[in-house]
Amino acid sequence: DGGITQSPKYLFRKEGQNVTLSCEQNLNHDAMYWYRQDPGQGLRLIYYSQIVNDFQKGDIAEGYSVSREKKESFPLTVTSAQKNPTAFYLCASSPTRQETQYFGPGTRLLVL
Amino acid sequence: GQNIDQPTEMTATEGAIVQINCTYQTSGFNGLFWYQQHAGEAPTFLSYNVLDGLEEKGRFSSFLSRSKGYSYLLLKELQMKDSASYLCAVRDQDGGSQGNLIFGKGTKLSVKP
Repeated sequence: DGGITQSPKYLFRKEGQNVTLSCEQNLNHDAMYWYRQDPGQGLRLIYYSQIVNDFQKGDIAEGYSVSREKKESFPLTVTSAQKNPTAFYLCASSPTRQETQYFGPGTRLLVL
Repeated sequence: GQNIDQPTEMTATEGAIVQINCTYQTSGFNGLFWYQQHAGEAPTFLSYNVLDGLEEKGRFSSFLSRSKGYSYLLLKELQMKDSASYLCAVRDQDGGSQGNLIFGKGTKLSVKP
């Protein structure tokens, strides 16, 4: 089956800890994205990548890092510098940046 | 500035028709998207408008007026499973952020029996 997978579904972070959220797609899409969703707010763009080995900051990149070493994978690391990490994190991909984005099932990050 | 407005909540009756409005003020425009999001799940793509007019897709239709900065999503023959949040998103076309989607806060639709 073609699609976008994210793991884990739930993730717990302790103070001072970095955590990495996985995003994989087998749709052969060039572009991938990470969004954050908080209650009562619209989705906000963290990072995006148009092509392998390239990525750009979105609107709220502080405290996050990404890599794009393979076309299929775009992992997001939430660092200890992100002071309010509790949120629903959504990964998306599109054939190119100018085309429709499709979302993965999301990872809910909670701080202990 | 970039701003997308949609009502926070709406309620409708099963079998009825509901219209969810979206107004936008963005520095650039290169298309408007509607997504459906059930609670705790990922958004799923519903429709895309880049030219003025109505796009129909089964029970769902979406309308765009670029001169008015206005779109609506029309849901006909409402079913209980249509209870969800509906997200309006505008694709920006402005310098370095070209191609990025700007999302509204979403409209939570509750369908009652």
